[in-house]
Amino acid sequence: QKEVEQNSGPLSVPEGAIASLNCTYSDRVSQSFFWYRQYSGKSPELIMSIYSNGDKEDGRFTAQLNKASQYVSLLIRDSQPSDSATYLCAVTGFGGGGYNKLIFGAGTRLAVHP
Amino acid sequence: GAVVSQHPSWVICKSGTSVKIECRSLDFQATTMFWYRQFPKQSLMLMATSNEGSKATYEQGVEKDKFLINHASLTLSTLTVTSAHPEDSSFYICSAPRGSGNTIYFGEGSWLTVV
Repeated sequence: QKEVEQNSGPLSVPEGAIASLNCTYSDRVSQSFFWYRQYSGKSPELIMSIYSNGDKEDGRFTAQLNKASQYVSLLIRDSQPSDSATYLCAVTGFGGGGYNKLIFGAGTRLAVHP
Repeated sequence: GAVVSQHPSWVICKSGTSVKIECRSLDFQATTMFWYRQFPKQSLMLMATSNEGSKATYEQGVEKDKFLINHASLTLSTLTVTSAHPEDSSFYICSAPRGSGNTIYFGEGSWLTVV
């Protein structure tokens, strides 16, 4: 079983709609969860982080976390063509040096069409 | 602005040669940095955890003698791909945790093409 699973997509939504991206993880001890956006050929950029159950809103983005179900999601309201990218879900796993290393899902490709 | 910087952004090298990629934390100290590799249309795969002043921790399946990591200072980690081959051509990305929440920030990435 993969540690972090995402639907590869593409997820196609019309401009102005809500895009819903989902992610499940296998390690129950994971404590930190992140959503990154990656444009083709570029490095990932952090969109949202969430650490506790519930919703966290930042502008057009809302992250939702349910640790009991081992599920984290990202909602993008009023989707814009510029939101078209691959969205990577990342979960912390224990790494060397006492710091948590990130385990990434394969990413979901989002296409927002005018 | 950028929090983590990588250099070079892209490099082309001949098969059998070595190439070094630098990763710097800007305006903060990073005792730990992470190196990822990403092949086209695939996700990021963690290669190793770079630890300042000690040996790097490599992920399973990553050859430590081929991918040399040096973390000589609190702001610089280097990845050297030794005896590069065309199959090593990939997008290499470093990252570092910053802040009390250990949010991880990525460098701009380095495209390596081995010909």
